[in-house]
Amino acid sequence: DAKTTQPPSMDCAEGRAANLPCNHSTISGNEYVYWYRQIHSQGPQYIIHGLKNNETNEMASLIITEDRKSSTLILPHATLRDTAVYYCIAGNYGGATNKLIFGTGTLLAVQP
Amino acid sequence: GAVVSQHPSRVICKSGTSVKIECRSLDFQATTMFWYRQFPKQSLMLMATSNEGSKATYEQGVEKDKFLINHASLTLSTLTVTSAHPEDSSFYICSALRHSGKGNEQFFGPGTRLTVL
Repeated sequence: DAKTTQPPSMDCAEGRAANLPCNHSTISGNEYVYWYRQIHSQGPQYIIHGLKNNETNEMASLIITEDRKSSTLILPHATLRDTAVYYCIAGNYGGATNKLIFGTGTLLAVQP
Repeated sequence: GAVVSQHPSRVICKSGTSVKIECRSLDFQATTMFWYRQFPKQSLMLMATSNEGSKATYEQGVEKDKFLINHASLTLSTLTVTSAHPEDSSFYICSALRHSGKGNEQFFGPGTRLTVL
């Protein structure tokens, strides 16, 4: 799996958009970008994933650069409940590595 | 999203005993499940990949005789920590893989907090 790099922490004001960056410069052509988050003492929660096109669901939007070397997760209107560690992972199920490897993630703190 | 459950959510045991943790996919079938361990203030560390009907694949450094994994059905995988010791105290999390046409999705259980006295 490609290695990902994320800032260790970020702050965001409640009600504002939270933009979480991720670098995955060694991502291969068949690897997807996955985003998960983990609220303290809970299991990780799936947010969104994509291959090369931008994706949007009820939780967030995922913007992937054209060269696929980086992406941004956007939480459009952050709330206090969005405070969590956010993990960006590059992986491909069914390929040589049928698993997700978690990095250190970004601790997003939403401020009131 | 899909639902994955774990049981128990919390367990305290004496050193030397064995503890079994169950992971169930409640609304989909999962031929592949994963087991992770997480120490305080650290990221999740993959322990093993559990495959229905075949042996689990362990990550480097994980003792397969200590962490027994059984994936007997398409909705259930179990992790047994044998002869547990205080250093095995950790947060154990499972996940189940759901196949889709748009890349596969992995859904996580709520975790099991193991404390070995």
